[in-house]
Amino acid sequence: EAGVAQSPRYKIIEKRQSVAFWCNPISGHATLYWYQQILGQGPKLLIQFQNNGVVDDSQLPKDRFSAERLKGVDSTLKIQPAKLEDSAVYLCASSYSGTGSDDEQFFGPGTRLTVL
Amino acid sequence: DQQVKQNSPSLSVQEGRISILNCDYTNSMFDYFLWYKKYPAEGPTFLISISSIKDKNEDGRFTVFLNKSAKHLSLHIVPSQPGDSAVYFCAASEGGGSQGNLIFGKGTKLSVKP
Repeated sequence: EAGVAQSPRYKIIEKRQSVAFWCNPISGHATLYWYQQILGQGPKLLIQFQNNGVVDDSQLPKDRFSAERLKGVDSTLKIQPAKLEDSAVYLCASSYSGTGSDDEQFFGPGTRLTVL
Repeated sequence: DQQVKQNSPSLSVQEGRISILNCDYTNSMFDYFLWYKKYPAEGPTFLISISSIKDKNEDGRFTVFLNKSAKHLSLHIVPSQPGDSAVYFCAASEGGGSQGNLIFGKGTKLSVKP
């Protein structure tokens, strides 16, 4: 079974530029998450989708970050414009989201963003 | 304001001995706790979890203990193996099981020496 795919793996941009990350979840997984992991910290949830609807985006800086999952499968996360403090690894995760509450979240390898 | 704390940034253990990783939390509404393991350049992978209605959960060499009164949980690895060397993250959620918003600690880097 293929895991969660993310691209690109690495991205270097200058501040005020725009950047987009792509995530393809495990086939059949209804729930998709984007996390931000700053160096030395644990991952922090930015946004959670259930199919193509947003479940939780309370920690997404909406003035500069946006995310979409138009067809309920893959997703893109965009930052526009980027700031120095956005340098982090952006992790995508997915879960099956069946009737049980113990559906494991499977993480992708992440995209490491460096903002200069 | 950290709700999940892993106060030991690193831990070094000899192969074959026990590794004990600790985690404290402040939010009494957390009712589900997880441990994730992360190798360099990879995403975290789920290791083991425990619901707040239990005080122990075991899976092979891995056991998680939960002390709700102390708001403390620990992960025991017995026996430790060199392949266990990784960063371990403690995570907690409130009312959503493992599907909800997971609050992660900063992680503990475990090194198992042959």
